[in-house]
Amino acid sequence: DIQMTQAPSSLPASLGDRVTITCRASQDIGNYLRWFQQKPGKSPRLMIYGATNLAAGVPSRFSGSRSGSDYSLTISSLESEDMADYYCLQSKESPYTFGAGTKLELK
Amino acid sequence: EVQLQESGPGLVKPSQSLSLTCSVTGYSITSNYWGWIRKFPGNKMEWIGHISYSGSTSYNPSLKSRISITRDTSKNQFFLQLNSVTTEDTATYYCARWGLMDAWGQGASVTVSS
Repeated sequence: DIQMTQAPSSLPASLGDRVTITCRASQDIGNYLRWFQQKPGKSPRLMIYGATNLAAGVPSRFSGSRSGSDYSLTISSLESEDMADYYCLQSKESPYTFGAGTKLELK
Repeated sequence: EVQLQESGPGLVKPSQSLSLTCSVTGYSITSNYWGWIRKFPGNKMEWIGHISYSGSTSYNPSLKSRISITRDTSKNQFFLQLNSVTTEDTATYYCARWGLMDAWGQGASVTVSS
């Protein structure tokens, strides 16, 4: 199985900060990488697909990037509504696997 | 607008079967792929499997011997059956339009306990 190593597990940050979450794939997954946001009691929301493409309705302060086997989700200027858990997912091959998640919280 | 809604028992006894229904509105399940995903206490997420527009299925090998995903196109529903459950199957179960991963149900909390 492809392992997705996500870091950090917890990220305290202040409003207005630029924050970055990273996932490293254990095998080549090309750009088959998605990012999800999940708030308590809510279902996951697709934020980024194809490693770098913004999903519909997602604010432009969110962006995705790739460097080799490292994939990053960046929020350019943190807003209060961004406080949530974030997960990466590889959809290159079955079984599709998620990162362990990052809890983004106010410092 | 596509909407998905999970339904099923919230409590299942160990060794029994867990059965969930995903009702889809606003989009036909004869298009795209439709999946089941679960989130464990402690927040780990796991892809369970999916069913395609044609009815073919793909399952997580870790669960393959215990799961079945089927559908009823006349009702625009698809189903998850997980057999021989243990307490380790306690989780929130989500259905999703898996091909795009852009639409999810609100989740069904399932507890396995005697």
